[in-house]
Amino acid sequence: GAGVSQSPSNKVTEKGKDVELRCDPISGHTALYWYRQRLGQGLEFLIYFQGNSAPDKSGLPSDRFSAERTGESVSTLTIQRTQQEDSAVYLCAIIGGLLYEQYFGPGTRLTVT
Amino acid sequence: LAKTTQPISMDSYEGQEVNITCSHNNIATNDYITWYQQFPSQGPRFIIQGYKTKVTNEVASLFIPADRKSSTLSLPRVSLSDTAVYYCLVGVGSGNTGKLIFGQGTTLQVKP
Repeated sequence: GAGVSQSPSNKVTEKGKDVELRCDPISGHTALYWYRQRLGQGLEFLIYFQGNSAPDKSGLPSDRFSAERTGESVSTLTIQRTQQEDSAVYLCAIIGGLLYEQYFGPGTRLTVT
Repeated sequence: LAKTTQPISMDSYEGQEVNITCSHNNIATNDYITWYQQFPSQGPRFIIQGYKTKVTNEVASLFIPADRKSSTLSLPRVSLSDTAVYYCLVGVGSGNTGKLIFGQGTTLQVKP
């Protein structure tokens, strides 16, 4: 998606390891979202950042998941002690455009073995 | 947050018009209705957004009745490349931001 990059594009990790996923938006976008999409499923909301306000973490599935964002720049999603059920594509999105639509990054495909 | 309900799947043939309806009974006064399209191995991409009545752009039309409790995405003369998952969202638009929840979406299969 225009204006959002994510890294790595693919990540294979062993069960129990920690992983860090990165979302790098074009600066100036105050709203940033993380979603998880399991194979063949819809998008699950994880967390939402809006400027300097406290993030909405209501979608994080467990305390193994955390996310940070510094200002209006990079965000990182950290998954500790990964489990096989964490295997999914993790998508980052920003709000932009005249209609305040979401622009999604290409996603990080996480595979936990 | 207004919950959305869509059909799980739809089939169509090339050249036909496809209408996908989304129900959002609890839509709030300041909510907009936005539709996204997702191809396999890609993030969703914006198709169209509206508040009321009818909106048309180069790829689709969006019909919203006066009570705004539902909306219909209309794709004219679909092609095989329109095979994708279509999501209806209620919330963000025109200066508003907030938590956005995707439903399960509608998988559209276009056949030759």
